[in-house]
Amino acid sequence: KAGVTQTPRYLIKTRGQQVTLSCSPISGHRSVSWYQQTPGQGLQFLFEYFSETQRNKGNFPGRFSGRQFSNSRSEMNVSTLELGDSALYLCASTRGAVETQYFGPGTRLLVL
Amino acid sequence: KQEVTQIPAALSVPEGENLVLNCSFTDSAIYNLQWFRQDPGKGLTSLLLIQSSQREQTSGRLNASLDKSSGRSTLYIAASQPGDSATYLCAVGGSNYQLIWGAGTKLIIKP
Repeated sequence: KAGVTQTPRYLIKTRGQQVTLSCSPISGHRSVSWYQQTPGQGLQFLFEYFSETQRNKGNFPGRFSGRQFSNSRSEMNVSTLELGDSALYLCASTRGAVETQYFGPGTRLLVL
Repeated sequence: KQEVTQIPAALSVPEGENLVLNCSFTDSAIYNLQWFRQDPGKGLTSLLLIQSSQREQTSGRLNASLDKSSGRSTLYIAASQPGDSATYLCAVGGSNYQLIWGAGTKLIIKP
């Protein structure tokens, strides 16, 4: 069974631009979560989707948004990029709230 | 608000030693607790998941315990190997569909 895939793996953007990251969950997993990892803040929850509905959102500004499609694939978008948005963005999928979360390799975003 | 703490932040031990990594959390109302491993520049690999009703889980040389009443979990690694070198993270799952993370323990196993 294929694991969680994330594209692209690396991105370089400049301040003010916007970016869209994609995540394909493990087949059969309907829940997708997004996390931001930085050296200073560690891992922080962005949002979680289940069956195209956002069930929870972390404490991030409105520039961070996401969506989930009917095939459970998810995208997250960051608009008006800031230097502080440079991070590893990780996506995880799971079958349910009490199940193991499986993570993708992440997308490393560098904002110049 | 749930807070997760991992001690120590870094640990360096000779190969072959048994070791314990600690994770503590402030709110005992959890669904589960997971231990993950992260290699430099890589994503996260799930090691063990302990449901709130369980006391421990084992996988190979790894054993994780959970004591909800005291807000603690430990990850025991037996007969450590250089390949175990990584950052180990614990994460607590609650009713709001998110994981709350510790800052991790960076483990170095010296050959």
